[in-house]
Amino acid sequence: DTGVSQDPRHKITKRGQNVTFRCDPISEHNRLYWYRQTLGQGPEFLTYFQNEAQLEKSRLLSDRFSAERPKGSFSTLEIQRTEQGDSAMYLCASSESSYEQYFGPGTRLTVT
Amino acid sequence: GENVEQHPSTLSVQEGDSAVIKCTYSDSASNYFPWYKQELGKGPQLIIDIRSNVGEKKDQRIAVTLNKTAKHFSLHITETQPEDSAVYFCAVYSNYQLIWGAGTKLIIKP
Repeated sequence: DTGVSQDPRHKITKRGQNVTFRCDPISEHNRLYWYRQTLGQGPEFLTYFQNEAQLEKSRLLSDRFSAERPKGSFSTLEIQRTEQGDSAMYLCASSESSYEQYFGPGTRLTVT
Repeated sequence: GENVEQHPSTLSVQEGDSAVIKCTYSDSASNYFPWYKQELGKGPQLIIDIRSNVGEKKDQRIAVTLNKTAKHFSLHITETQPEDSAVYFCAVYSNYQLIWGAGTKLIIKP
């Protein structure tokens, strides 16, 4: 299966710690997106890359969040000084065209 | 910015019956409308989509209709089966991102 993969699938961390998530997109896709989803809600856009360039960031992405996509391949999303409000599912999606986005299984973050 | 509303929040149908979920949007310039199915603990799965130059699209038991004038689109599932039980989300493409509805929990009763 060559779909979008995310690692880890689950992460439990203490408040104040830093965490990093990884996303590997479908190989020929040049666009990569990060979304956050809380229980009972639809996903919310966080940021978007075209190749290695980060082209769009949501106001939800505070200065504690940073995302990178070196060499336009995999991407990482880091959250510094985690807060309980950061607990959510973090979803990665990739796209070859402007429209169809294919999602990975997500990383569920729990901040205690 | 774009705003998407989805109804109903929960839909319970008898196995074999049809299910219809509706979404409305606010930006008349929007031109791409996907539907996703999300099972518990998994990421959203793209099941069907429609572009603004088309009024209806069908894929086996699933169809989507779009009314651009009224700014609403609907998901139709016929001959529902137990494996159709999931949360369904509509979305609208706007400025590089998808804007999502709040989701519909579809329950298929045996």
